[in-house]
Amino acid sequence: EPEVTQTPSHQVTQMGQEVILRCVPISNHLYFYWYRQILGQKVEFLVSFYNNEISEKSEIFDDQFSVERPDGSNFTLKIRSTKLEDSAMYFCASRLLGGQHTPNTEAFFGQGTRLTVV
Amino acid sequence: AQSVTQLDSHVSVSEGTPVLLRCNYSSSYSPSLFWYVQHPNKGLQLLLKYTSAATLVKGINGFEAEFKKSETSFHLTKPSAHMSDAAEYFCVVSDLGGSQGNLIFGKGTKLSVKP
Repeated sequence: EPEVTQTPSHQVTQMGQEVILRCVPISNHLYFYWYRQILGQKVEFLVSFYNNEISEKSEIFDDQFSVERPDGSNFTLKIRSTKLEDSAMYFCASRLLGGQHTPNTEAFFGQGTRLTVV
Repeated sequence: AQSVTQLDSHVSVSEGTPVLLRCNYSSSYSPSLFWYVQHPNKGLQLLLKYTSAATLVKGINGFEAEFKKSETSFHLTKPSAHMSDAAEYFCVVSDLGGSQGNLIFGKGTKLSVKP
């Protein structure tokens, strides 16, 4: 069964350092997402990506964050200068169809990357 | 704007007894609703989804949920809990107000199952 894979499973980084979280979505999916879950809190939307560009982003997704799909396979989330409050579990998701007219297709999630900023 | 409220942060049941995890949503449109489960140190797995067809939706592992528009609810149930059901459960609505049908998560309900 196809699945979304994320690497690494756990990343520890020093405050101020750049990190790149990697995701390989399901191959025929068209919409890609990053979510995060701070320990003990709800899962929060960060950004959605379609047709090689950001389609929507939340207020959490500020200038320190960026996404790209460099090779048509990987989907990466970069945090330029990490802060302590960036410590969270980051989930990548992909969806075959998305958008306002086809909202009922489910998203498939990866197992997450636990980012710890020290 | 869409929102989801999971009324219980923690539910504890005995093995073999029924499970009820409550979820209420607010929506200006006909929503799409999902339940996801997260086992410890695992990713998010889809349990079931409501897509405006049948109001009673059956999912994996014996779970089901009923969409009740009049009550704006989508509660998750299972007749008999197993130890392996211990996990965190998320009720999710698809945000038709957004441009990409983004998923809006509830805060989650942690289910504990006692032997």
